[in-house]
Amino acid sequence: DAEITQSPRHKITETGRQVTLACHQTWNHNNMFWYRQDLGHGLRLIHYSYGVQDTNKGEVSDGYSVSRSNTEDLPLTLESAASSQTSVYFCASSETLQPQHFGDGTRLSIL
Amino acid sequence: DQQVKQNSPSLSVQEGRISILNCDYTNSMFDYFLWYKKYPAEGPTFLISISSIKDKNEDGRFTVFLNKSAKHLSLHIVPSQPGDSAVYFCAASEGGGADGLTFGKGTHLIIQP
Repeated sequence: DAEITQSPRHKITETGRQVTLACHQTWNHNNMFWYRQDLGHGLRLIHYSYGVQDTNKGEVSDGYSVSRSNTEDLPLTLESAASSQTSVYFCASSETLQPQHFGDGTRLSIL
Repeated sequence: DQQVKQNSPSLSVQEGRISILNCDYTNSMFDYFLWYKKYPAEGPTFLISISSIKDKNEDGRFTVFLNKSAKHLSLHIVPSQPGDSAVYFCAASEGGGADGLTFGKGTHLIIQP
């Protein structure tokens, strides 16, 4: 069965460190997305990609970057982690006009 | 400014009765609406969607209604079952979702036995 997997599921790091969260999908979807979920905010869009070599900023992109070198993967990088980036991060993929499929999330704590 | 609003943080319904979850939006450019269900420590799971050219869509026990003039949509679950207890998110997008979804804050549905 096709799926979308995120790793790690949990991570603790320190402020100022670079952190990369992995997202891998086997749906062969062109569109991929990163969201963060915080109490009182629902899910908010960080970055998205329409395909290889394409990336776009979402609502809360400051402090984050993504790169798309193949169809299956969209890693999310925090260049210099800040405590305000402590959150649960969800990756999703879809085709246009189709619902997004989500991974099970990465819980990131920045101390 | 919140473009998708779910004004009820929680809702308690008896098993077997109807659950009605509501969602309002402000962006008139939204043309694609979805409901997701989320259990703790899992990702959101797609439930049902509706395009702005329709006013109703059904899938088994789940029905979504869209009132474009009021910028309001609702999810009806009939009959409610214990496994329906979860957080429900309303989401919306322009252009079929390729640019990402805008989510509400969610409603925690609790089904009482």
